[in-house]
Amino acid sequence: EAAVTQSPRSKVAVTGGKVTLSCHQTNNHDYMYWYRQDTGHGLRLIHYSYVADSTEKGDIPDGYKASRPSQENFSLILELASLSQTAVYFCASSDRTGLSGNTLYFGEGSRLIVV
Amino acid sequence: QQNVQQSPESLIVPEGARTSLNCTFSDSASQYFWWYRQHSGKAPKALMSIFSNGEKEEGRFTIHLNKASLHFSLHIRDSQPSDSALYLCAVSSGFASALTFGSGTKVIVLP
Repeated sequence: EAAVTQSPRSKVAVTGGKVTLSCHQTNNHDYMYWYRQDTGHGLRLIHYSYVADSTEKGDIPDGYKASRPSQENFSLILELASLSQTAVYFCASSDRTGLSGNTLYFGEGSRLIVV
Repeated sequence: QQNVQQSPESLIVPEGARTSLNCTFSDSASQYFWWYRQHSGKAPKALMSIFSNGEKEEGRFTIHLNKASLHFSLHIRDSQPSDSALYLCAVSSGFASALTFGSGTKVIVLP
């Protein structure tokens, strides 16, 4: 099965500090995504990428940057962390071929608490 | 922008009962429809999907899709305690396009 690993799994950050969440996939998938989930709620798309060295804005990109230096790695960067960015962040990858092209394979999540 | 809504927000059912979850979407051009399941503290995992109007059954799970009504649903037959989870519906408007998720329905199956 597809493997997506995230680091760190948990982090406490101070308001105004910089936070980098990392994601690594070994599936040879072209597409990677960052979603955030607030307690008891669904997933909202922050940034995604179709190819290395290129990123696209999702539905809630404000306050976040993304970086895709290689096919395997996709990072989410919070330059100035704010209290409202406390959430669980999920990275996912998907293939681009076949009817299963939309199947997202998620990492285990990174819990971020901003204080 | 796609708007995806789920109902009910939460549901408690006895073991062995049928569970029905609903999802509505706003973009009539939507083409791909998914249900994901997320157990507490775990990653969401794809459950099943449907791409054309009608019904699709996989084991105890059935999806119904009615594009004209902008609605699809998930039905769980003979619900088990292990089915207790957050169920997320998701929609995309194109092949390999990013998915838009609903806010989820929390299901608790009591033994």
